Amino acid sequence: NAGVTQTPKFQVLKTGQSMTLQCAQDMNHEYMSWYRQDPGMGLRLIHYSVGAGITDQGEVPNGYNVSRSTTEDFPLRLLSAAPSQTSVYFCASSYTSGNQPQHFGDGTRLSIL
Amino acid sequence: AQSVSQHNHHVILSEAASLELGCNYSYGGTVNLFWYVQYPGQHLQLLLKYFSGDPLVKGIKGFEAEFIKSKFSFNLRKPSVQWSDTAEYFCAVSPDSNYQLIWGAGTKLIIKP
Repeated sequence: NAGVTQTPKFQVLKTGQSMTLQCAQDMNHEYMSWYRQDPGMGLRLIHYSVGAGITDQGEVPNGYNVSRSTTEDFPLRLLSAAPSQTSVYFCASSYTSGNQPQHFGDGTRLSIL
Repeated sequence: AQSVSQHNHHVILSEAASLELGCNYSYGGTVNLFWYVQYPGQHLQLLLKYFSGDPLVKGIKGFEAEFIKSKFSFNLRKPSVQWSDTAEYFCAVSPDSNYQLIWGAGTKLIIKP
């Protein structure tokens, strides 16, 4: 049972480039989410999904897109990377909703030059 | 706006010392409360949670937390810390208004051997 798997673990981009952070879970969880973690600010919710085909914005959605075509996968797309998006990104999942205990991936450390 | 405050950003203790990490939130309705821990180089994992019932909840590794509704607090405690408790601790609150998690900024705990 792998849990929540994120790829890549590290990535360096140039300003303006686009990329997709991958997230997959094998626990048949309905709820998945993306957070960014910045020093001194805790985790902030970017986007979340309560099931396949359903996504919604969190606290800091600008500059990011998501889709949920299957229960297992929830990729996060950076449309045009900016230095302000330098952060550590975490994907998480839970059985039904955000107020249930969440399982986290190992994170992706992203640097935008 | 709803927020979660963790009073100390850094705490340094010696082994066997007692620990209390503060967490306060600003929301007057019903909440689910969580403490997560992030050990160095690892992903976030659930330490304990409170949904309802006994306000004193016990978690893994000897940790406990007390929900005091009148003080909007959910402080984390451990009677005797170990070197292996060195980690970053996050308090998170899920208000019944939106069922998403709102995170504190985290407390980095360093235990001196």
